[in-house]
Formats: sequence, structure tokens, C-alpha cells
Amino acid sequence: DTGVSQDPRHKITKRGQNVTFRCDPISEHNRLYWYRQTLGQGPEFLTYFQNEAQLEKSRLLSDRFSAERPKGSFSTLEIQRTEQGDSAMYLCASSSAPLSYNEQFFGPGTRLTVL
Amino acid sequence: RKEVEQDPGPFNVPEGATVAFNCTYSNSASQSFFWYRQDCRKEPKLLMSVYSSGNEDGRFTAQLNRASQYISLLIRDSKLSDSATYLCVVNEGAGNNRKLIWGLGTSLAVNP
Repeated sequence: DTGVSQDPRHKITKRGQNVTFRCDPISEHNRLYWYRQTLGQGPEFLTYFQNEAQLEKSRLLSDRFSAERPKGSFSTLEIQRTEQGDSAMYLCASSSAPLSYNEQFFGPGTRLTVL
Repeated sequence: RKEVEQDPGPFNVPEGATVAFNCTYSNSASQSFFWYRQDCRKEPKLLMSVYSSGNEDGRFTAQLNRASQYISLLIRDSKLSDSATYLCVVNEGAGNNRKLIWGLGTSLAVNP
């Protein structure tokens, strides 16, 4: 399967714990995006990378959230000191720039439940 | 005003019906537009891009009205399998500052 993959698919954690998610984009895509989605809402942009450079971070991304893409391939999203409000689906997407229409291909997501 | 607005629905229609969704956007400089489909508990997938002249893909027709800043999606002869959430997406900015702004989605249920 050459699509976007995410790991784990589900994560249950206790409030206050740290969690880390991984995303492997489509191999030739140099742009990688992280979104958060809660039930009944559209995806909320968190951050994106072009190669290894983090070009934009949403105001939604508090200092408890950090994302990396050290070699310009896979990316990790870490949430420190998780809160119940962090419970959501975390989606990763990749795209190929400078594709004019910027279609994004999504992974299956990581569903986080904070107890 | 939200950057991208959609009627959340739900739209409940019988099989075979024609249904239309609209989406408005606030940034007149927006450059490109998309409709994504998201099935329950699945990731969004691109349904179709929206071109200035309008475009059609089988039973689906997308239109753009730049003057009024809205895009539309028309589904003809709806099938049970069309039941999903349809997300309007607008591409703003240019170069490295380009980003996608997502609507909240419109829920469609096609009933037998």
C-alpha cells in the first residue's frame, strides 16, 4: 500500500500522559499536514511541513503540541500532558508541491481518547 | 463571518433524487476549490476539484461563482452509497503560504 499511513490507529490514555503519533506520507510528497477533527466538525488545520521545514502552525496548537519531520519523510506529533479536550481524530495528509490544485491525500487517522 | 461556510444538514433524500449543496467563502483572493467526501469514521477523500468554468464527473457537477463567492455541488440520481459528509475546501494564499481552509461539512443521507 503506497498511501499515507498513521500509527497507532487508536490510542487511549489517561489525562496528564504524553502521547506520540507517527505519519508516513506518500513517498514522493514533500508536503505533510496535521489536522484534528472532532465529531460533526471539519478537519482543523494544526501544522504543515514542506520537506523538513515546519512552515506554519495554527493558533490551535498550544505549547503542549509539537510536531517534527526530521528527515523530510515521516512526521511525529507529540501531545504532552494530555487533557480530555485533546480527544479527537488526528489526521495526517500529504501532497505534492508545486501541484497547482494541491490535492491532499489523507491517512486513516489516529483516534485519541483521553480518560 | 467564517472563512468557509456550509449548511451542515442533514439532507435526507430518496434514492434517485437530485440534491445540491452550496458553500460560501470569505476570501475573494481564494484561488482553487475542492469538494471532499468523508464517510463515517473514515478519512476525507477528494471528490472533485472545482474549475472556473464548472465541471462534471458522472452524476456530480461542481460550479464556481467568484462574483458571489460560492461553490456548489450537484448530485443527480443519488445512490445509497452517496450517503456521506461532503466537505467544501478552499485554497488560499500562494507559494509556501498556500493553505486549505475546510468547511464543517454537509451531511447527506440517501434513503431507499
